[in-house]
Amino acid sequence: GENVEQHPSTLSVQEGDSAVIKCTYSDSASNYFPWYKQELGKGPQLIIDIRSNVGEKKDQRIAVTLNKTAKHFSLHITETQPEDSAVYFCAASNGGGADGLTFGKGTHLIIQP
Amino acid sequence: DAGVTQSPTHLIKTRGQQVTLRCSPISGHKSVSWYQQVLGQGPQFIFQYYEKEERGRGNFPDRFSARQFPNYSSELNVNALLLGDSALYLCASSLGQVDGYTFGSGTRLTVV
Repeated sequence: GENVEQHPSTLSVQEGDSAVIKCTYSDSASNYFPWYKQELGKGPQLIIDIRSNVGEKKDQRIAVTLNKTAKHFSLHITETQPEDSAVYFCAASNGGGADGLTFGKGTHLIIQP
Repeated sequence: DAGVTQSPTHLIKTRGQQVTLRCSPISGHKSVSWYQQVLGQGPQFIFQYYEKEERGRGNFPDRFSARQFPNYSSELNVNALLLGDSALYLCASSLGQVDGYTFGSGTRLTVV
């Protein structure tokens, strides 16, 4: 089955700086890669996703890149703000429901004022 | 519009007991999936139901079962509870199979 590795487990950046979180996946059949943000006491919230026919996608301060050959994808957050502090999860799926989403272990992003 | 609603929010059970967790999807969403999230880990896939049929099952024992009702709401049942079943149980609904999931806030289950 799919295996998703996520790094780093904790990331501390100064407010206004950029943050990058990286994930690798094992199953070459995976074609859908979402990123979720989870705040304390809440369920994960989808912030951006990318499909395997696209190399990069951007939404305001958030961007995701995908390298299918290397089987890795990354989340980039620019101009970080205090409200960006949360746990971020990457995930991968082959698009069907049989195996659901396979999540990484999460990155705790801390924005230092 | 209401998001995904789960009940109860918190639950304490004793080892060996049975528990039922409930989920109401976003209106119009026909797919409901269940995930288990142990503290400090990412969510782990348990089940997916689409149009009232089981479409996927993760690597969980047969003590875990689920169903989806005609109104697309869903229940997750866990029998013979173990201490290791203590976790946050998340329900997600979507239009399609996996893309565009919206998660509920979860049910925190503690087994003592």
